[in-house]
Amino acid sequence: AQKVTQAQTEISVVEKEDVTLDCVYETRDTTYYLFWYKQPPSGELVFLIRRNSFDEQNEISGRYSWNFQKSTSSFNFTITASQVVDSAVYFCALSEANTGFQKLVFGTGTRLLVSP
Amino acid sequence: DGGITQSPKYLFRKEGQNVTLSCEQNLNHDAMYWYRQDPGQGLRLIYYSQIVNDFQKGDIAEGYSVSREKKESFPLTVTSAQKNPTAFYLCASSARDDGGEKLFFGSGTQLSVL
Repeated sequence: AQKVTQAQTEISVVEKEDVTLDCVYETRDTTYYLFWYKQPPSGELVFLIRRNSFDEQNEISGRYSWNFQKSTSSFNFTITASQVVDSAVYFCALSEANTGFQKLVFGTGTRLLVSP
Repeated sequence: DGGITQSPKYLFRKEGQNVTLSCEQNLNHDAMYWYRQDPGQGLRLIYYSQIVNDFQKGDIAEGYSVSREKKESFPLTVTSAQKNPTAFYLCASSARDDGGEKLFFGSGTQLSVL
């Protein structure tokens, strides 16, 4: 069965600090997708990144970076030089490619609070 | 602007009442989804639809019903059989349903019981 664990319920940092959000997943499939979504106070989830199981390259997008390690079943998300606008709930999610439809399994989310 | 519109933003339900949450998308997406979000929990799938006039139960479908008469619309009815309806409901869509497609979400409806 699929499972996504985000052990950090809430993280508080001061602006300009770096912060890493952890994500550990479980799946029996060899082909799967991992996602990160951001949920700002307005409520809608915003797509941040998708990574397939065959691509272990780390990715950087501006202040955001992701570290995918199959050996530890982790897909961690780092924000460098955090800003107040980064305050949100961040969800990690997993989708198995062979289910026939997009069934995302979400973690419980990590609330990030960035103070000025 | 293309996107997903959910209405209303806030909804109150009386005991024994059915209420319907609206979800409309103009992204021309085939697949649509309803998720429920409870405080401190992840999103859980209620129903999904891959094409018009077809839909499937998700993990927590009991007490809910849906229809998909038009590609653009996927309304969710919370029936009186749902004993704990207070939650944040999110509608989403994707171009395909093959597992690797990203979801686009609406801004949600907060449902509360009076």
